[in-house]
Amino acid sequence: AQSVTQLDSQVPVFEEAPVELRCNYSSSVSVYLFWYVQYPNQGLQLLLKYLSGSTLVESINGFEAEFNKSQTSFHLRKPSVHISDTAEYFCAVIAKAAGNKLTFGGGTRVLVKP
Amino acid sequence: SQTIHQWPATLVQPVGSPLSLECTVEGTSNPNLYWYRQAAGRGLQLLFYSVGIGQISSEVPQNLSASRPQDRQFILSSKKLLLSDSGFYLCAWSVSGGTQYFGPGTRLLVL
Repeated sequence: AQSVTQLDSQVPVFEEAPVELRCNYSSSVSVYLFWYVQYPNQGLQLLLKYLSGSTLVESINGFEAEFNKSQTSFHLRKPSVHISDTAEYFCAVIAKAAGNKLTFGGGTRVLVKP
Repeated sequence: SQTIHQWPATLVQPVGSPLSLECTVEGTSNPNLYWYRQAAGRGLQLLFYSVGIGQISSEVPQNLSASRPQDRQFILSSKKLLLSDSGFYLCAWSVSGGTQYFGPGTRLLVL
């Protein structure tokens, strides 16, 4: 079984400031890792994912996350946030072998202030 | 490209009434399909998943059920709703258990 911990439930941040959302996971098997974003009253959108290869993955809208196997972490960062980044962000993992169950963290609500 | 639809978008139902939520996927064949529930204070929880027509796996015992009558159709049902069934229901699809892509969701309020 897997578990995911997002250490911050809410992160207020000023526009154009950097933000980091922390995610740690626990698993007895190898996993794939994901970040999803949820805007108010909408479904989840895939932001980025780590499957294999380079441990640093990037999204098209400036977010990046780094897989750290020794620390079992997959923190999400953005060097400069916009008002439109206000949303809830979910970290998730799934077992590589025969994985059908996404295990989510509790989510981090990001509020970008002008 | 693939798209996923859910309806209705919003539903208000009395306790004890039946429920039927529908999810359809376009642009792919034989997807894996999933139902999740997002409830306040309880995060995102996998309810059911299906790897093929008529094949349903249940993750959490409850008064909900799921069916997959067609390859790209997934239905979530209940015979009698409880107050605790209120929440945001999300359908998702994947190819052979890979990355999951989510629909727009159905917000259910049971009164």
